[in-house]
Amino acid sequence: DAGVIQSPRHEVTEMGQEVTLRCKPISGHNSLFWYRQTMMRGLELLIYFNNNVPIDDSGMPEDRFSAKMPNASFSTLKIQPSEPRDSAVYFCASSVVGLAGGNEQFFGPGTRLTVL
Amino acid sequence: AQSVTQLDSQVPVFEEAPVELRCNYSSSVSVYLFWYVQYPNQGLQLLLKYLSGSTLVESINGFEAEFNKSQTSFHLRKPSVHISDTAEYFCAVSSGGGADGLTFGKGTHLIIQP
Repeated sequence: DAGVIQSPRHEVTEMGQEVTLRCKPISGHNSLFWYRQTMMRGLELLIYFNNNVPIDDSGMPEDRFSAKMPNASFSTLKIQPSEPRDSAVYFCASSVVGLAGGNEQFFGPGTRLTVL
Repeated sequence: AQSVTQLDSQVPVFEEAPVELRCNYSSSVSVYLFWYVQYPNQGLQLLLKYLSGSTLVESINGFEAEFNKSQTSFHLRKPSVHISDTAEYFCAVSSGGGADGLTFGKGTHLIIQP
């Protein structure tokens, strides 16, 4: 199993540009989560999906952020326009909801975003 | 609302010494508790979890954590650490067992000194 795949691994862009981060969850997983990690705020949940449907987007910081999950094997997180304060590591995680043993979230390697 | 407090941002210990990383949580509902480990430039990996049952949970690499409901704590311990344990450790809480999002603490950087 390849695990959760994120692309790109590193992204450097200029303020005002559109940024799209991509995530492929583990095959068979039905929940997908986007987190952001910064030194100041630590790890924060941005949004999560169950069966491709957004369940809770209360962590999305502003309207500049949007996320989609068009199918079970792909999700995007878009920032438009980007700002320097969006610089962070963005993690995608997936899990299988409904297991009796609990729902371990498997994390991807992250995308390090730098907005200049 | 839920929150997690990791009291120590850094914990330096000598190799083969015991270590305890502290975690306290607050929640108005029943919670599930997790410890994740993050090695440099990598994603997070689950170390261990408490869902129900025995309050003492163990990982395969010698870590253990004990759920203490009265003290709202879930401290992580290891009797003898190795250089390879150097990493960032995150305590997390969920009301849905991980089916909903996790609320993380700020993390504790475990530094193993030879």
